[in-house]
Amino acid sequence: NAGVIQTPRHKVTGKGQEATLWCEPISGHSAVFWYRQTIVQGLEFLTYFRNQAPIDDSGMPKERFSAQMPNQSHSTLKIQSTQPQDSAVYLCASSLISYEQYFGPGTRLTVL
Amino acid sequence: TQTVSQSDAHVTVFEGDSVELRCNYSYGGSIYLSWYIQHHGHGLQFLLKYYSGNPVVQGVNGFEAEFSKSDSSFHLRKASVHWSDSAVYFCAVSANTGNYKYVFGAGTRLKVIA
Repeated sequence: NAGVIQTPRHKVTGKGQEATLWCEPISGHSAVFWYRQTIVQGLEFLTYFRNQAPIDDSGMPKERFSAQMPNQSHSTLKIQSTQPQDSAVYLCASSLISYEQYFGPGTRLTVL
Repeated sequence: TQTVSQSDAHVTVFEGDSVELRCNYSYGGSIYLSWYIQHHGHGLQFLLKYYSGNPVVQGVNGFEAEFSKSDSSFHLRKASVHWSDSAVYFCAVSANTGNYKYVFGAGTRLKVIA
């Protein structure tokens, strides 16, 4: 069991560029969560998929952010026209349908 | 809407000491509570959870937590800490509505001096 895999571990983009973050959940887990972690805001929920279907995206900024789960083996978080305030560690977690979530190591996004 | 408060941003103890990390929450309904640990540069690791039953729950590596409905608290304790316990600890709550997303506290950074 490799755990939740997130790629890349670090990404640096220029202001206005697009960033795509990848998450591979633990095999057999049917729920995938995305969180964002910053020093100022702490850990914030972004969005959640269950059996690949979007369930709750109440934490997603309305513009520029989108998430997909095209198959059970991966999910992507895309940020268009990145801004310096998007700099954060983006964490992906997966779980069976339960409250015990398993987190990946995160992707540190730096927007210059 | 549920909220979580971790009143201590930093806690420093010596190896072998006991420690308690505080967590208070607010939510009017049934709730699910967890603690997670984050070592520097890593993702969060699950420590323990509570939903119902015995208010004292045991977790990994000697950690335990006690739920108190009257105090709206879920404090984490360890009887004898090791230097490797140095990390940031997050308390998390989720409303028991079938939506499994967490609301996290701000975290408590525990430093254990060897």
